[in-house]
Amino acid sequence: EADIYQTPRYLVIGTGKKITLECSQTMGHDKMYWYQQDPGMELHLIHYSYGVNSTEKGDLSSESTVSRIRTEHFPLTLESARPSHTSQYLCASNDGGGKLFFGSGTQLSVL
Amino acid sequence: SQKIEQNSEALNIQEGKTATLTCNYTNYSPAYLQWYRQDPGRGPVFLLLIRENEKEKRKERLKVTFDTTLKQSLFHITASQPADSATYLCALEPGGFKTIFGAGTRLFVKA
Repeated sequence: EADIYQTPRYLVIGTGKKITLECSQTMGHDKMYWYQQDPGMELHLIHYSYGVNSTEKGDLSSESTVSRIRTEHFPLTLESARPSHTSQYLCASNDGGGKLFFGSGTQLSVL
Repeated sequence: SQKIEQNSEALNIQEGKTATLTCNYTNYSPAYLQWYRQDPGRGPVFLLLIRENEKEKRKERLKVTFDTTLKQSLFHITASQPADSATYLCALEPGGFKTIFGAGTRLFVKA
């Protein structure tokens, strides 16, 4: 059973708002990831982290930013949301052997 | 660039039959390859990992093969059930624990 949690599950906001998507894991995993996925489409890696104070941009350019101050916490922030940011955001952690555990995702809708 | 190709056409099979899904990759030699299951609106769930020195791996009704010469993995579900209906994703690491995913193949199992 994966112990990785994302909140909120659904978020509807207006253009220009600042938002933070939360992701926490209790497994002590060093490596964590954020993926973006549109309906019926593939997962795109937008950010990843090797551990505390480590953050890297993924293959898909994103206007979001991330931070990793604590091992268990990897939040994603959008300073000014736009309709083009509407998507599902999935957080994951790596057990060190390659296996990824995913949260349930945040479905973001920007009006 | 690295590329993972999965059959974009949905696979429809009858209950009890064996489902076979294909994953092809290019421009990379991964140390291992993974398969995940994803249900609508949820995060992917890990199923199997197969290493480059393993030709085949089994878990209950699931079987994965890995041909590093052909750069292909096959994923089999034997005695398929309607509950197996989902999207199945192939994934690999191009390096540095940065896991990338194929677009997935949707499987429909009819009762």
